[in-house]
Amino acid sequence: QVQLQESGPGLVQPSETLSLTCSVSDFSISSGYFWGWIRQPPGKGLEWIGTISRSGRTYYNPSLGSRVTISTDTSKNQFSLGLTSVTAADTAVYYCAREAEYCSGGSCSKDWFFDLWGRGTLVTVSS
Amino acid sequence: SYELTQPPSVSVSPGQTANLTCSGDELGDKYACWYQQKPGQSPVLVIYQDIRRPSGIPERFSGSNSGNTATLTISGTQALDEADYYCQAWDSNIVVFGAGTRLTVL
Repeated sequence: QVQLQESGPGLVQPSETLSLTCSVSDFSISSGYFWGWIRQPPGKGLEWIGTISRSGRTYYNPSLGSRVTISTDTSKNQFSLGLTSVTAADTAVYYCAREAEYCSGGSCSKDWFFDLWGRGTLVTVSS
Repeated sequence: SYELTQPPSVSVSPGQTANLTCSGDELGDKYACWYQQKPGQSPVLVIYQDIRRPSGIPERFSGSNSGNTATLTISGTQALDEADYYCQAWDSNIVVFGAGTRLTVL
């Protein structure tokens, strides 16, 4: 059964970089699907952060500007999130998730929905 | 930027039908999906590509999408369906979520 698990510091200083890792079990991330990050501030709704493909192509939410980086480490079967220059507004539960793909004629594209989510990890930005 | 609008709350009596709406400009020309989120839990996909149910999702959950509105319908609503529901679509390579609807079963 495929599972996703987020890990990383629960407390980050303002202006520092938030770094999280998502470990995927029972499925090789280099084999297929897309892999994304979504966050949810306490008591609020969901916000898409970005997604990465198996080949490393990235898609980011423009509302986060150039602060976001998503990367993969296929040797560890993990993908990671980096968010620079954080403020209190970045305090949230961060989820990693698997994004569906559809394949046709030997190529695969994003299918724009998330069919499997991690449990989430709370990151608080505070001094 | 593209926006999806959901009513903040919907109430339904047990056994009745709940209709949760999600509105966006020409949303019917896009695929919509829906997530259920219970307190302290991760979101769970309940409808994708407007009408499809993932394996394990009860048949009482169904979806539709036409014009500017996508609708999640829960037939024979049960107490365990009480949760927040988020619609989601995409536009210009950006994933967009609605603000969510809290479904209360009372």
